[in-house]
Amino acid sequence: DAGVTQSPTHLIKTRGQQVTLRCSPKSGHDTVSWYQQALGQGPQFIFQYYEEEERQRGNFPDRFSGHQFPNYSSELNVNALLLGDSALYLCASSLEVRWGTDTQYFGPGTRLTVL
Amino acid sequence: DAKTTQPNSMESNEEEPVHLPCNHSTISGTDYIHWYRQLPSQGPEYVIHGLTSNVNNRMASLAIAEDRKSSTLILHRATLRDAAVYYCIRDGAGSYQLTFGKGTKLSVIP
Repeated sequence: DAGVTQSPTHLIKTRGQQVTLRCSPKSGHDTVSWYQQALGQGPQFIFQYYEEEERQRGNFPDRFSGHQFPNYSSELNVNALLLGDSALYLCASSLEVRWGTDTQYFGPGTRLTVL
Repeated sequence: DAKTTQPNSMESNEEEPVHLPCNHSTISGTDYIHWYRQLPSQGPEYVIHGLTSNVNNRMASLAIAEDRKSSTLILHRATLRDAAVYYCIRDGAGSYQLTFGKGTKLSVIP
């Protein structure tokens, strides 16, 4: 049973460019969340997708957008990249996260470097 | 605002028990406590969660104080593979997200 997979593993971009990161959830999961983890910090919640809609969003600007496809896979898009966007981007999947009990399964992340 | 407080770092000798503390003094009555850990160069992984009573699974035990203002993650016999950053997270009412703090970096000494 494949866990959460993310692509690419590493990515280098320059300021002002746009980037798309991809995530395939664990088999049977229907909910995908994205997190940003700066060096030495804990992951910060970007947003969550369920039934192809953004269900909740963290404190991130509109430059960060996403999409969920009918097969539950998801993309994270970041426009007009800034140096501060350099981070590890983590995808987590779960089965219809319900308040209080559901477990999120994380992928290995995509390391984005903005030069 | 992570809403939990953990020590920045702890050390343990291999094969000894480890008690990782977490304070969550403002917890509400229906918030769960979750623990995740992140090994080097990996994404976080679920360890355990609980509401009021103590919980055990194959990875660890979770002891929750009677007033629920603190909890302790117990690793019964630390191994080198347990060296990781451990995050204590409380659910927010109506929230689908996990709010991570900086966690506790556990070092295991051979």
